[in-house]
Amino acid sequence: QKEVEQNSGPLSVPEGAIASLNCTYSDRGSQSFFWYRQYSGKSPELIMFIYSNGDKEDGRFTAQLNKASQYVSLLIRDSQPSDSATYLCAVREYNFNKFYFGSGTKLNVKP
Amino acid sequence: GAGVSQTPSNKVTEKGKYVELRCDPISGHTALYWYRQSLGQGPEFLIYFQGTGAADDSGLPNDRFFAVRPEGSVSTLKIQRTERGDSAVYLCASSPGGGQDLVLTFGAGSRLTVL
Repeated sequence: QKEVEQNSGPLSVPEGAIASLNCTYSDRGSQSFFWYRQYSGKSPELIMFIYSNGDKEDGRFTAQLNKASQYVSLLIRDSQPSDSATYLCAVREYNFNKFYFGSGTKLNVKP
Repeated sequence: GAGVSQTPSNKVTEKGKYVELRCDPISGHTALYWYRQSLGQGPEFLIYFQGTGAADDSGLPNDRFFAVRPEGSVSTLKIQRTERGDSAVYLCASSPGGGQDLVLTFGAGSRLTVL
């Protein structure tokens, strides 16, 4: 079974700070990497995806990928209380359409 | 439709009963996935359809679970002889057929409670 590991948290940051969320994965053949946000009682919604080494920025969000270290992270700049949610990391296998999810990191942004 | 639609949103049943959960994917999406999410856990893969056929059903926990997608659109997840351990939120997701930017869009989920 492919493994996707995340610290369950909770990660607490003050409003306006940078939140850093981390994820490691076991399968070196993984191709694409996704960050989903899940509010309590709701379904996951896509924040962004990345498939090349380096950084990818989208507004306040930056995804960082290091395939050699099998590590992907999500930075949230200027964190807002509305960012408080569980963040799920997902990995897609190379040449397959199966996605594996981590158990998520709970983020609390304090006003 | 505009989004992935799942019915029922909530289902309470008794141990041993049969349950059907329905998913209507985004129009034109050929790939359809079923996941199961327990409290405090990430979504767990169950089965994936490409068109009408099950491309990968390796996540189905046992033969009590079965899913169909007869016309390549709506899918039904069927659970026989339900057990209390089947209680979870069942998430359906759909995606365009393929490509490097393949992403999942989830429905709101069906919460199943087995008493």
